[in-house]
Amino acid sequence: GESVGLHLPTLSVQEGDNSIINCAYSNSASDYFIWYKQESGKGPQFIIDIRSNMDKRQGQRVTVLLNKTVKHLSLQIAATQPGDSAVYFCAETQGAQKLVFGQGTRLTINP
Amino acid sequence: DAGVIQSPRHEVTEMGQEVTLRCKPISGHNSLFWYRQTMMRGLELLIYFNNNVPIDDSGMPEDRFSAKMPNASFSTLKIQPSEPRDSAVYFCASSSQGAYGYTFGSGTRLTVV
Repeated sequence: GESVGLHLPTLSVQEGDNSIINCAYSNSASDYFIWYKQESGKGPQFIIDIRSNMDKRQGQRVTVLLNKTVKHLSLQIAATQPGDSAVYFCAETQGAQKLVFGQGTRLTINP
Repeated sequence: DAGVIQSPRHEVTEMGQEVTLRCKPISGHNSLFWYRQTMMRGLELLIYFNNNVPIDDSGMPEDRFSAKMPNASFSTLKIQPSEPRDSAVYFCASSSQGAYGYTFGSGTRLTVV
C-alpha cells in the first residue's frame, strides 16, 4: 500500500524470491495505470502499463494486476535480482495525458 | 537516442537568487512535463506542454515559478526568487502526444541555502 509522509513503505525480499508491491489508487475514472522503477540518483523508468479494461498484464519477470472494484494495483516481480532494488511507483491517469504518482515503495533485495 | 537531457545535474544557490533548469526532450516527442520530487510530497506535476504550448500549469506552486518551451527541443523552468523550500529534485519528462509512457531525465537536484 501507500503512505504519506517522510517514510516510504519498505519491502525486503530474499534474492530469488518473488515480490509483490501494492498500490491503492484514488480515481475510479482512471483508465490507464503505469508502474515505474526509480533507482538511486536516476529518474523514474517505465516498467509496465495496463489499461482499465484489463485485469492482468505480463512482461518479462513482471506482472501487473488491476482490481477496479477495490481500486487496487499490484506489481509482481518474479525471481528478484539485486538490480531490482529501487523505489517503485504506481501512476494513474488524471485527465488528458496527466499522470499522478503514488508515494512509492522501496524494494530491498537481500543476498 | 540520448534520452531526455537535463542540466545542471546539481545546483546549489542562495536564497533570493534566480535559478534556471534546462531540459532537452527526446527528438520527436511533442509533449514535455516538469515534475518536482520531495520526500514529503513525492512526485508532483508542475506543468506540461503539447507542441510547445503550455496545457496545464495548475501544479506550479506560485508566481515565483515559470516555464517556457521556445521550441520543440528545449524547455526551461525558472524560479525567481528561490527559497529554501524549493529544494527538491526537478525532473523533466517527454512523450509522444497522447501517450502516457513518459521518459524521464536524470533530474536536477536543487539546494537553496
